[in-house]
Amino acid sequence: AQSVTQPDIHITVSEGASLELRCNYSYGATPYLFWYVQSPGQGLQLLLKYFSGDTLVQGIKGFEAEFKRSQSSFNLRKPSVHWSDAAEYFCAVGRVTGGGNKLTFGTGTQLKVEL
Amino acid sequence: EAGVTQFPSHSVIEKGQTVTLRCDPISGHDNLYWYRRVMGKEIKFLLHFVKESKQDESGMPNNRFLAERTGGTYSTLKVQPAELEDSGVYFCASSQDRVIAFFGQGTRLTVV
Repeated sequence: AQSVTQPDIHITVSEGASLELRCNYSYGATPYLFWYVQSPGQGLQLLLKYFSGDTLVQGIKGFEAEFKRSQSSFNLRKPSVHWSDAAEYFCAVGRVTGGGNKLTFGTGTQLKVEL
Repeated sequence: EAGVTQFPSHSVIEKGQTVTLRCDPISGHDNLYWYRRVMGKEIKFLLHFVKESKQDESGMPNNRFLAERTGGTYSTLKVQPAELEDSGVYFCASSQDRVIAFFGQGTRLTVV
């Protein structure tokens, strides 16, 4: 069975500082990996995804993530955090089914940005 | 382009009552999903429609939950009768392929 671990429930960073959110997964095959963000009052929005190929993937809003198979990790990074990045971030692993994708999520990391 | 829309945004009902949640997917998306987040826990898969057919309903908690997707358009999720442990945020999402780009804002269900 697939699973996702996000070890950090809460993270606080100063605006302009760099950010890394950790994600470890367990999956029996080549994983489809995703990061989503949920801003207050909004639904989840896809930041980036990894299916295959280049292990460093770029996403929206200046985020990137690196797939490391040896460590079963897919950490999310941003070089300089903006106050608008304050939100909850979810890592997920997907299993393709019937043309769609069944996602297993981590418990989320709440990001607070100090001005 | 309109996103995934869910109604109502909040619902407070008493234990034993019935509640129906509605999801309007992005137009043209064949895949429609329901997920749920119980407070403090991860978002969990409930079920997946492809058009009007249930592709996977392995995440439905029990037979008090009934999901339908009329004509492959909008979907409803009925909980009857509601129990305290059904409280949480119910998310809907849709996609045309393997990538779910957006989820709806969710329906926060509170059973008292």
